[in-house]
Amino acid sequence: DTGVSQDPRHKITKRGQNVTFRCDPISEHNRLYWYRQTLGQGPEFLTYFQNEAQLEKSRLLSDRFSAERPKGSFSTLEIQRTEQGDSAMYLCASSSSVNYGPYEQYFGPGTRLTVT
Amino acid sequence: GNSVTQMEGPVTLSEEAFLTINCTYTATGYPSLFWYVQYPGEGLQLLLKATKADDKGSNKGFEATYRKETTSFHLEKGSVQVSDSAVYFCALIKPGTASKLTFGTGTRLQVTL
Repeated sequence: DTGVSQDPRHKITKRGQNVTFRCDPISEHNRLYWYRQTLGQGPEFLTYFQNEAQLEKSRLLSDRFSAERPKGSFSTLEIQRTEQGDSAMYLCASSSSVNYGPYEQYFGPGTRLTVT
Repeated sequence: GNSVTQMEGPVTLSEEAFLTINCTYTATGYPSLFWYVQYPGEGLQLLLKATKADDKGSNKGFEATYRKETTSFHLEKGSVQVSDSAVYFCALIKPGTASKLTFGTGTRLQVTL
């Protein structure tokens, strides 16, 4: 069990550019979550997958954001036309509906996005 | 909606002092309650959890008891160490769902020698 991994760990981009982040969950976990954390705040929920199905999306997830989990394993989060307000730490977490519980989510190290 | 309120930090303590970090919640029904810890430069780690009223979660000397009557889940440790310096987040999951954690704003703990 290698834990949840995220790539890249840091991303600096110019306003208006598109960025994509990847998350690899713990291998036997069927649930995957994305959160966003800004400085001095707790993480805020963005979206949730069970297997490949995206089951819930926050209103924080504007139409510039899209997430996928095509084969029910890794997930990607894309932000189009980035804005300075998108600067944050993007966290991925995973959990299992079968072996762990209830509902314990395990977090990756995060991707820090800076939009200049 | 669901929400979590934590005491503001930073909390500064001397080593071996007693720690309490207050957490109260608003939710319908019986949410599951969690404490996560974020050490400097690291990701969030699950510290402890409780799933029903009067449950006590414990780990690494930390404890928290699920109090339905006061809607609280205060974190305590009898004797803190410098290595406990971190940000602590209280969180809940809405009962009957498998989805989002709702977090408090976090409390920074600084322990000095």
